[in-house]
Amino acid sequence: DIQMTQSPSSLSASEGDRVTITCQASRDISIYLNWYQQKPMKAPKLLIYDASNLKTGVPSRFSGNRSGTNFTLTISSLQPEDVATYYCQQYDNLPYTFGQGTKLEIQ
Amino acid sequence: EVQLVESGGGLVQPGRSLRLSCTASGFTFGDYAVNWVRQAPGKGLEWIGFIRSRPYGGTTRYAASVEGRFIISRDDSNNVAYLQMNSLQTDDAAMYYCARGYGWFDPWGQGTLVTVSS
Repeated sequence: DIQMTQSPSSLSASEGDRVTITCQASRDISIYLNWYQQKPMKAPKLLIYDASNLKTGVPSRFSGNRSGTNFTLTISSLQPEDVATYYCQQYDNLPYTFGQGTKLEIQ
Repeated sequence: EVQLVESGGGLVQPGRSLRLSCTASGFTFGDYAVNWVRQAPGKGLEWIGFIRSRPYGGTTRYAASVEGRFIISRDDSNNVAYLQMNSLQTDDAAMYYCARGYGWFDPWGQGTLVTVSS
């Protein structure tokens, strides 16, 4: 199975900060990497698919990038409503696998 | 509005069975794959399987943790997918979500909670 390693596992930042979450795949997965946001007690929601494509309706402060087997999710200016846990997920190979999650809080 | 709604969760004893449903609305259900993803209390997300759409054979694939115990099926005439869970174990306790799509999951249902306890 492909292992997805997310870092950090938790993060605290101030409103307006630029925040970056990283996800590393255990082997090449091309661009087949998605990002989800899960707010407390809610179902996950798709933010970005294929490494860098923003889902329609998702604020433009979210962006995704790929460099080899390393992927990043960046929030350009953190807003209070961005408090959530973020997950990466690969679909290059079955079984689909998720990172362990990054819990983002506001200071 | 594109929507998925899960139902059928509850308390079940170890070794028993439970069937979850995922009812879709707002889109042509038969054109899409349906995935099941679970989340144990306080833990991360685990993909447990999917069923392809009929044009892609309607075939299923599962995670190793549930292979041979769980079965996914679909009824396109009623816009429903099912997750039949057999020989349930205590570590199967989780919130179970269904989600539409190949590759990426969008949207997700609100989830249904399965508790496994004697």
